[in-house]
Parts: sequence; C-alpha cells; structure tokens
Amino acid sequence: GAGVSQSPSNKVTEKGKDVELRCDPISGHTALYWYRQSLGQGLEFLIYFQGNSAPDKSGLPSDRFSAERTGGSVSTLTIQRTQQEDSAVYLCASSLEGRTTEAFFGQGTRLTVV
Amino acid sequence: KQEVTQIPAALSVPEGENLVLNCSFTDSAIYNLQWFRQDPGKGLTSLLLIQSSQREQTSGRLNASLDKSSGRSTLYIAASQPGDSATYLCAVGMIKAAGNKLTFGGGTRVLVKP
Repeated sequence: GAGVSQSPSNKVTEKGKDVELRCDPISGHTALYWYRQSLGQGLEFLIYFQGNSAPDKSGLPSDRFSAERTGGSVSTLTIQRTQQEDSAVYLCASSLEGRTTEAFFGQGTRLTVV
Repeated sequence: KQEVTQIPAALSVPEGENLVLNCSFTDSAIYNLQWFRQDPGKGLTSLLLIQSSQREQTSGRLNASLDKSSGRSTLYIAASQPGDSATYLCAVGMIKAAGNKLTFGGGTRVLVKP
C-alpha cells in the first residue's frame, strides 16, 4: 500500500476485555515495529519484527501483551485483560530493512479502556 | 541507557521567523537520527533521516545537523509558516539495539502565529 495502515483508528473497551490492533506495513518492508504513546510517557518501543527472525519483545510491558506477524506482512498486537493504564495511542512503523533505513509510521490506534 | 532530550518543550514564534529545535542524546553509539512531525491526533510523519556518518541533511526549508560526538542534533526550519505548527520529535536508532529500534525525545510543540 501507499503507507502504513492501522485499524481500528479508535477503540473503546471495557476493563478486562481483550483487544486486537492491526497493522498493515508498506509493501516490501521487512521490518515492523510497535510503539505506544501515552500521556506523560512519550513514545516507547514495544516489539520489533524483522523478516523470519525471532521478534525482539523486550519492550512489552507485561505478559498480557503479545504480537504476531503473519506471512511477513500484517501484524496484530493483542492486549489481554485490558487495564486502564493500557489506554494510549498504539503506533506501528515499518522500514525497508533494519538498521539504517527510514521508519514510516501509521496513524495509530487510540485505545481507551473504561 | 540512552536518553533523548528536547528543549524547549514548547515554542511560539511569529510567522516568517526561523525555527531552531534542539535534540540531545546521552549515548553516541547511534546508527542514525530521525526527525518527525506529529499533528494533533495523528501519527508521525518522517521529515529527515541522518545516518551516523553524515553531518547534515536538507529537504526544502528543513535542515538537520548531527554532531554525534557531542550528542546533539538541531532541526532548522526556515521562514516558518502557520502550517509548520505541530509537535516535532527526534529519535535515535542505537547500535546496541535490534534493527532500527528508536528511542524518542519528548518533543517540542511549535506554534507559528500568523
């Protein structure tokens, strides 16, 4: 596609429910990243996928968070048993490959846990 | 641990004035530095990517410099316009990190008054 696409753009969920956030990267980009932007916390790294390599999950805040990337393209971030502190904007980015290439971000999913 | 700081947090200038935005980082072992723009409620738009071997990058009215040894980057926006009003974020990609995992500064919120 022309850019990184994320869905839904907004999600309101009740505390304790599970949510799935979707990211469709730019076609041909092998690297995919998830970040979270919270009020007062800035942007923080969550997880990184590169091709068929094992993902770097070092930024996931708890075991309620997981992500997968199917077929090296679309990625889904799943948050189980959501808590109010999970409320944030979740941003996905992709780049052509790893180290030296420019990262392009999607518009984000605004998650509100009530 | 890499820390990225952007000062000031907010900046207001009259239209036509040049903008100077500062970014500093504590660990000089970086692969690259990227400047982004974020409009309210939107994702991040990449402005400039500077590789660690480069001193500056230019795109239109934008010029970004990088002094890796002193841990500083500056984004210059010439002849500012009201449409330049946004939050500007800098982010560094670390050599020690996987892929191009970015560490972000807190951003500078810019208002250009007509």
